[in-house]
Amino acid sequence: AQKITQTQPGMFVQEKEAVTLDCTYDTSDPSYGLFWYKQPSSGEMIFLIYQGSYDQQNATEGRYSLNFQKARKSANLVISASQLGDSAMYFCAMREDTGRRALTFGSGTRLQVQP
Amino acid sequence: EAGVVQSPRYKIIEKKQPVAFWCNPISGHNTLYWYRQNLGQGPELLIRYENEEAVDDSQLPKDRFSAERLKGVDSTLKIQPAELGDSAVYLCASSLEPEDGYEQYFGPGTRLTVT
Repeated sequence: AQKITQTQPGMFVQEKEAVTLDCTYDTSDPSYGLFWYKQPSSGEMIFLIYQGSYDQQNATEGRYSLNFQKARKSANLVISASQLGDSAMYFCAMREDTGRRALTFGSGTRLQVQP
Repeated sequence: EAGVVQSPRYKIIEKKQPVAFWCNPISGHNTLYWYRQNLGQGPELLIRYENEEAVDDSQLPKDRFSAERLKGVDSTLKIQPAELGDSAVYLCASSLEPEDGYEQYFGPGTRLTVT
């Protein structure tokens, strides 16, 4: 079974609008972390935001926020006030703290911001 | 502070030839990861090092892939002989664990094309 599922292969958003990228996960480990990375066309993976499984509040980093719904096992990324430079691939990933401790990535969502 | 350095950035080889990739992690980072990213997919872990020790190489195809991390700093990933299916981007990442255990810093990757 896939551990990380991103059901949106591609998304479009107008500049200055907000967009939500979906991510669901599957784990039996009580302690885990959820991550979002951005991968521009240049190829590097850029860390955006982290949410721990025991964190009570949703994580926020500037224009990025993570909508963490533990019971639903979802960790959606919300980008507010989209900018043209936000156009990229976005990957959701999970790390199980008592397991392999490496990141397991989803298949990604390609976001295109339109002017 | 310098980021994770990888070389070469691009490599084109014929099948059955050997190839090697080099990674220099962020100074002081004790944990090093090699991931493979196939086109249109998220990265998948090949091997994880803690200092000099390979603590997770369960996904490394050991018949043709090998890796080393001498002195717990730089690392080399080798493929011999390469197959057409090895065409992918090979990403190196590093982290400082457990102090900074949740964030992995990625290099720009090496794009391998096997013809």
